[in-house]
Amino acid sequence: KAGVTQTPRYLIKTRGQQVTLSCSPISGHRSVSWYQQTPGQGLQFLFEYFSETQRNKGNFPGRFSGRQFSNSRSEMNVSTLELGDSALYLCASSLAIGQGAGNTIYFGEGSWLTVV
Amino acid sequence: QKEVEQNSGPLSVPEGAIASLNCTYSDRGSQSFFWYRQYSGKSPELIMFIYSNGDKEDGRFTAQLNKASQYVSLLIRDSQPSDSATYLCAVPPGGGATNKLIFGTGTLLAVQP
Repeated sequence: KAGVTQTPRYLIKTRGQQVTLSCSPISGHRSVSWYQQTPGQGLQFLFEYFSETQRNKGNFPGRFSGRQFSNSRSEMNVSTLELGDSALYLCASSLAIGQGAGNTIYFGEGSWLTVV
Repeated sequence: QKEVEQNSGPLSVPEGAIASLNCTYSDRGSQSFFWYRQYSGKSPELIMFIYSNGDKEDGRFTAQLNKASQYVSLLIRDSQPSDSATYLCAVPPGGGATNKLIFGTGTLLAVQP
């Protein structure tokens, strides 16, 4: 069974550009969440989607956006990139939503974004 | 008070010893608790999850949960050098259906051969 797949794995962008990252969840999983990980701030929640609806959003500026498609695949977009956006962006998927037993959350390998 | 607190370490243990990693959380409504292992340059890997008070064992790993004390721990028995990594405690906020996780800063574990 394939895990969470994220593309691209590595990318370098210039300040002011925009970037789109893609995530394919585990087959059958309908919930996708995105996180940003930096050495200074650790892992921070960006947003989560379930059945194409954004269910929750973290404390990030409006330059960060996302969406989920009918096949549960998700994309996130960062516009007008800043140097501080350099980070590992992680996608996580789970079968359902909520804290019921068995609803475990799995991470993809991440997309490493460097802004120069 | 941070929502999820962990000692950043490093926690150094000799090979074969028991490593004890601790985490406290502030939201009494949280129902499930996750431990992830993250090697340098890699993504978090799920190690254990626990929902009920008490202990949950899986191989060399034991998660312990005490909701009254808002405390969750991870014990690693017979620690191996390959266990050297950062261990992240993650807790969903209570009060709603969400898969959002609030992470601690992680504890760096170093197992000395």
